[in-house]
Amino acid sequence: AQTVTQSQPEMSVQEAETVTLSCTYDTSENNYYLFWYKQPPSRQMILVIRQEAYKQQNATENRFSVNFQKAAKSFSLKISDSQLGDTAMYFCAFMNPTGTASKLTFGTGTRLQVTL
Amino acid sequence: DTEVTQTPKHLVMGMTNKKSLKCEQHMGHRAMYWYKQKAKKPPELMFVYSYEKLSINESVPSRFSPECPNSSLLNLHLHALQPEDSALYLCASSLGQGNFLYGYTFGSGTRLTVV
Repeated sequence: AQTVTQSQPEMSVQEAETVTLSCTYDTSENNYYLFWYKQPPSRQMILVIRQEAYKQQNATENRFSVNFQKAAKSFSLKISDSQLGDTAMYFCAFMNPTGTASKLTFGTGTRLQVTL
Repeated sequence: DTEVTQTPKHLVMGMTNKKSLKCEQHMGHRAMYWYKQKAKKPPELMFVYSYEKLSINESVPSRFSPECPNSSLLNLHLHALQPEDSALYLCASSLGQGNFLYGYTFGSGTRLTVV
């Protein structure tokens, strides 16, 4: 079974600064997908960024980028120019494609607080 | 339409009640999911429907009964729940087989309280 570990329960960053959230995972699969989801107080899970395991190039979405280290099974999220609206719970997630439906497994989450 | 809509947003029910949660999407997604999320915890998978057929049941107690009447609609029927079943219930959908890169689209959840 796959496991996803987020070792930072809480983090704080000042507005406009950069912060990195860590994530490691354990799998014996070679083909999989990794995601970062954001869950603000509104409760809805919002997809932030995604990475295909067979692509070596790190994904980037505006202020969000990842550092994907496949051999180390590490998938960290970097948020640049942090904004107050980035305050949320961030979940790292692993997806192992199956025959008919995917299965998304979440880490324990990191609560990020952006301060003035 | 790029949303997953869940109703109701809040639900309080007694342990002898029967209620249903509803989830709807019109994005043409062919896989739909129910997750349960306790406070300050990650979502935990309950059920997966793929092409309107139940494909994964994560050993969920029978007091939770899922139903997928068509490709756009997913229900979760609740009966004889326990107070420990109080949680946020999230519905999600995805394109389905062969389209995993896009992940899931989640609804904003139903906050369930069992009294």
